[in-house]
Amino acid sequence: DAGITQSPRHKVTETGTPVTLRCHQTENHRYMYWYRQDPGHGLRLIHYSYGVKDTDKGEVSDGYSVSRSKTEDFLLTLESATSSQTSVYFCATTGVLYGYTFGSGTRLTVV
Amino acid sequence: KNQVEQSPQSLIILEGKNCTLQCNYTVSPFSNLRWYKQDTGRGPVSLTIMTFSENTKSNGRYTATLDADTKQSSLHITASQLSDSASYICVVSSTSSGGSYIPTFGRGTSLIVHP
Repeated sequence: DAGITQSPRHKVTETGTPVTLRCHQTENHRYMYWYRQDPGHGLRLIHYSYGVKDTDKGEVSDGYSVSRSKTEDFLLTLESATSSQTSVYFCATTGVLYGYTFGSGTRLTVV
Repeated sequence: KNQVEQSPQSLIILEGKNCTLQCNYTVSPFSNLRWYKQDTGRGPVSLTIMTFSENTKSNGRYTATLDADTKQSSLHITASQLSDSASYICVVSSTSSGGSYIPTFGRGTSLIVHP
């Protein structure tokens, strides 16, 4: 969607390696979110940010860390990737009028 | 615990037919309810948003209804098209004491429209 870009779109990595996913927004939204989507679970919140350097955990935060040094960028890091972290990751921002705007997703495979 | 339940889990219909998707929720305090459409390989895209005082909201062939008393919502698709094949996600938000919106996502209904 316009305003949010995720990179990379696809990634294959080995178990035990660190991985960083990037989310970039151009809407100057205060709130940004990282979700993972798995079959049978729907979208689950990993971490979210409510401002520069202000972040908090979601329901599935174990094994993940985030950083937000600028309003426009929100990074998700898998400290040591495991096969259970194979998933599709979505970044989102929120505005009062338009609700959540999602990126196109990053498909991560941990082998 | 806030929950959003959607039914059916999956649905197959013929092109041109109508269908209705259901969403039941237990979210408090209620702020708003949104329906999203997610095409395969893409992020969810908002279809409608409804607040507590709204009963019906339309977006083209999509009509969402909300009954805040029974905590139910439905999404009706009229004259379905092949491009309607997607997952439809119901999202109900509450408002935290700090003013942020806290969403609870349903697991989605997978709709397949056959020619």
